[in-house]
Amino acid sequence: SQQGEEDPQALSIQEGENATMNCSYKTSINNLQWYRQNSGRGLVHLILIRSNEREKHSGRLRVTLDTSKKSSSLLITASRAADTASYFCATDSLNTNAGKSTFGDGTTLTVKP
Amino acid sequence: DTGVSQDPRHKITKRGQNVTFRCDPISEHNRLYWYRQTLGQGPEFLTYFQNEAQLEKSRLLSDRFSAERPKGSFSTLEIQRTEQGDSAMYLCASSLRGVEQYFGPGTRLTVT
Repeated sequence: SQQGEEDPQALSIQEGENATMNCSYKTSINNLQWYRQNSGRGLVHLILIRSNEREKHSGRLRVTLDTSKKSSSLLITASRAADTASYFCATDSLNTNAGKSTFGDGTTLTVKP
Repeated sequence: DTGVSQDPRHKITKRGQNVTFRCDPISEHNRLYWYRQTLGQGPEFLTYFQNEAQLEKSRLLSDRFSAERPKGSFSTLEIQRTEQGDSAMYLCASSLRGVEQYFGPGTRLTVT
């Protein structure tokens, strides 16, 4: 079974609006990462947040992490049509130093022009 | 382009045939991972290598699956006696020190 669960499963917004996606996970983690995947293609790494961090920014992306609630959120501000993609959170468990990631099933974001 | 490459990008095979996929990681990366992704789901971990050593295998990796990384550079994933349930996207990723992973474009396998 997957470690992470993204919410919502699908999100449709207008260009220029903000998009917020949430991720919940089950076990203690070293870090949490967000990836983007365009239809039928490989994953692109967006941002990493470590377990001792609470918030991180990268361009139009803002990620928060609440380890007490075992949850994270990804905010994309001023969305563009090119942001249309699936977004996955991935966690690296404390129980391994392999760096292998456990992914959720993703949020499919559609940004309408 | 010095990213992760995978070959082939698409493979259609008949049930019962063997298939082999190749992954070329980013050259200085010592860790290499294989994942499988089915439609509408996130990638599922299959196995990973540190240099040429295969250090972990998922229970998803049945005895029909084998992976190698003979010289610590490229890797191959072989599936023997393919089944329709093997149809999926097979993703390879590499990393340095096992944190941020860089993914290849994937090999889409269709078993008919």
